[in-house]
This record gives sequence, C-alpha cells and structure tokens, in this order.
Amino acid sequence: ETGVTQTPRHLVMGMTNKKSLKCEQHLGHNAMYWYKQSAKKPLELMFVYNFKEQTENNSVPSRFSPECPNSSHLFLHLHTLQPEDSALYLCASSQVGQGGGNTIYFGEGSWLTVV
Amino acid sequence: QQQVKQSPQSLIVQKGGISIINCAYENTAFDYFPWYQQFPGKGPALLIAIRPDVSEKKEGRFTISFNKSAKQFSLHIMDSQPGDSATYFCAARGEAAGNKLTFGGGTRVLVKP
Repeated sequence: ETGVTQTPRHLVMGMTNKKSLKCEQHLGHNAMYWYKQSAKKPLELMFVYNFKEQTENNSVPSRFSPECPNSSHLFLHLHTLQPEDSALYLCASSQVGQGGGNTIYFGEGSWLTVV
Repeated sequence: QQQVKQSPQSLIVQKGGISIINCAYENTAFDYFPWYQQFPGKGPALLIAIRPDVSEKKEGRFTISFNKSAKQFSLHIMDSQPGDSATYFCAARGEAAGNKLTFGGGTRVLVKP
C-alpha cells in the first residue's frame, strides 16, 4: 500500500473542461512533486514544492496550475488542456534537508485522457 | 539534453536468465543513483540504490554495478522470473546538481516462462 495516494485514478476530460488531480502523502515528508509520464518520453519533472513553497517549475504551460495548501496535500488544476497532454501524472514525495533520505516515493498515478 | 541515458529500451529474457540494463550519466555532481521498478498501472517504486563510494551493491537477485570513472552504472537481475517483467528506470541525483532526480528513458523487461 503506497504512502502517496492519488485521485482520481482515471480522468477523461474535454479540452474546455476544468478538473483537478489530488495527491495526499501519509509519510510526513516535506517535499512534494508532480511528474508527467508519457509513452515516448522519460519521466518529466513538472513542479516541486518544499515546505509548501514552489521551488521549481520546469517550463510547464500555464494550463497546468499546482496548489500546495499544506505539506501533505498537492493539487494539479487542469484547464483548457490539449490532446497531447494525455499522460500518466505521478505525484511523489520525499524528505529533504538535514536528516532526510534521498528516496522519492511515488503514488500510483492519475491517467488523464484529453478528448 | 538528456543527462541520463539508458539502454536498451526493451529486453526479452528467458526465465532463469540474467537481465542487464545500462545507464550513463554526464553530470559529475550526481552522487546518488537509484533504480525504480514500475509495473503496469502502478507508480515507480524504489528497487535498489547506490552511492559512488562503492562499486557494487547487491540486494537479493538485484545488483547494481557502478563505474565512476566511466560514469556508468548498470542493473543486473539474476535468475530472472516472470514476476520481474516491468519497466525499469535508472536515475541520478546530486545536491550540487539541484537535488533533482533525473530519470533515464526506461527499459521494458519481459521475462518469458
């Protein structure tokens, strides 16, 4: 059973819809991440949050909007997406800083299909 | 620019055989090298990891070999089993490199019974 829970597991949305992906980590970590996994590319880091503050945005289009209300929860708000945005979106967490390990723990992902 | 190059993209091995996956990196600031295993429909899970102060690490049937001078590391799966069929990702990370985990492109392994 993963310590990182993502909902929904599957989502189909139209290009004009607005939806959100949710992630919750139960590991007491202080950093959370969004990754995109598509068939023809390596895992792509999208956003990084340390202690609820966004520390990295890897040139992600503004149609993806992250939100981190606390160190246990992370959202990815989606609006006016394109079909090429269809992919598996993975949330992950880790403990960074003094005493933290290097292990990143992934959720099971949210399969997104944009029609 | 892909900082971690992984090969092969796919691999078929008979049950009981050895699966070998290779990765090469460019950034000498990397100091932590994990391997992740991903089954269909699941997120990647940490399998085994190594730091560059050792040349080999073994956990059960899984072994990482590390060659610092060549900037290469590999995963060996001994006595491969059908349950090992999955996609394997190498990765690299270093505090001096921004502490981000950079992944290789993945290798899809199929173990035939």
